[in-house]
Amino acid sequence: DAKTTQPNSMESNEEEPVHLPCNHSTISGTDYIHWYRQLPSQGPEYVIHGLTSNVNNRMASLAIAEDRKSSTLILHRATLRDAAVYYCILSANTNAGKSTFGDGTTLTVKP
Amino acid sequence: GAVVSQHPSRVICKSGTSVKIECRSLDFQATTMFWYRQFPKQSLMLMATSNEGSKATYEQGVEKDKFLINHASLTLSTLTVTSAHPEDSSFYICSARSALAGGRTDTQYFGPGTRLTVL
Repeated sequence: DAKTTQPNSMESNEEEPVHLPCNHSTISGTDYIHWYRQLPSQGPEYVIHGLTSNVNNRMASLAIAEDRKSSTLILHRATLRDAAVYYCILSANTNAGKSTFGDGTTLTVKP
Repeated sequence: GAVVSQHPSRVICKSGTSVKIECRSLDFQATTMFWYRQFPKQSLMLMATSNEGSKATYEQGVEKDKFLINHASLTLSTLTVTSAHPEDSSFYICSARSALAGGRTDTQYFGPGTRLTVL
């Protein structure tokens, strides 16, 4: 499975933008990049996904590098409710979408 | 959005008993469901991939006779922890994969999780 690398933790101030990086240098040409986030004692929540082009939705934006070896999840205005563990994962084309979760980035939002 | 439910949300059982956890996709059909286990302060660990109407595919190190998975319909998968022991205590999470019409995205939608405590 293609692996992803994320910083263990990041901090942000409330109402400021947050850029969460993810490296995936071994990504294959057909792997989608997915971002999920998980609050304590809850299942992960889908945030956004993309293949090659940058993506925007109501929750966040996803910026994908031209060589697809890295991506950045952008929260435009962090709120206290955005404090969570953020996971960047790749779908494995040869395993019908099986995905391996790394350790993720724990985002702390300070008021 | 796609909703996945799990039942029960929390279960406490005695050592040696079996526990069944249900995972349902409420508003979409899921040909593939995944079962994960998560220990405190750790990431999700994939246990098995379940395809409707066929046997589950287990990850290396996961005992298929201990963690029985049945994916009987396009909206229901069950995980049965047989002869549970304290070391099986964990947070069990299922997900269902939704293939959007017109394209493959492999987006997974996760259930809220089931906290299993084995005494």
